[in-house]
Amino acid sequence: DTAVSQTPKYLVTQMGNDKSIKCEQNLGHDTMYWYKQDSKKFLKIMFSYNNKELIINETVPNRFSPKSPDKAHLNLHINSLELGDSAVYFCASSQEAGRETQYFGPGTRLLVL
Amino acid sequence: GNSVTQMEGPVTLSEEAFLTINCTYTATGYPSLFWYVQYPGEGLQLLLKATKADDKGSNKGFEATYRKETTSFHLEKGSVQVSDSAVYFCALFYNQGGKLIFGQGTELSVKP
Repeated sequence: DTAVSQTPKYLVTQMGNDKSIKCEQNLGHDTMYWYKQDSKKFLKIMFSYNNKELIINETVPNRFSPKSPDKAHLNLHINSLELGDSAVYFCASSQEAGRETQYFGPGTRLLVL
Repeated sequence: GNSVTQMEGPVTLSEEAFLTINCTYTATGYPSLFWYVQYPGEGLQLLLKATKADDKGSNKGFEATYRKETTSFHLEKGSVQVSDSAVYFCALFYNQGGKLIFGQGTELSVKP
């Protein structure tokens, strides 16, 4: 059983569209994260939620809105997609906010045309 | 601020060669240090970690020692295999910010 899963795995869409990426973890962790990996493989945190509450919000355009319906799920909604949003988005989780070891999902490859 | 710098890739080695991937960091306080590995088409997996100075993390033949005096956490393996081909990320975690900060990644390609 996959510990951290993401859907979809691939997402190809047109500029200006709105799309969502879903993440679920079955590890019983309290904290979840979204990371963006650009074309040069550089990985940067976007958001973190602890027990459904936002605790980290990096400098991310407000077109990106995370939503955590419960502590096992953290979804990412993106409005008005732009070419520069093309990247791989990784979800991760950790046991709690202060715990360093994070477990990553397989990634969602987003291509905006 | 806190940051991680890794050696530039790609690194290409023959099977059974010795591997070193350099990683240095800048941080306030005493961060924990990590190596993550990303195999082609997959997410990141924790390879090893060290939480305090002079700790050595090891896993699958890979090792790294937390060197506070040189602010380094270099990754080594004595004999690489084709299956080690992947992108390797050095990272630091500082509790105050609650964030993992990654280096830029180093791509390793091992040829038979």
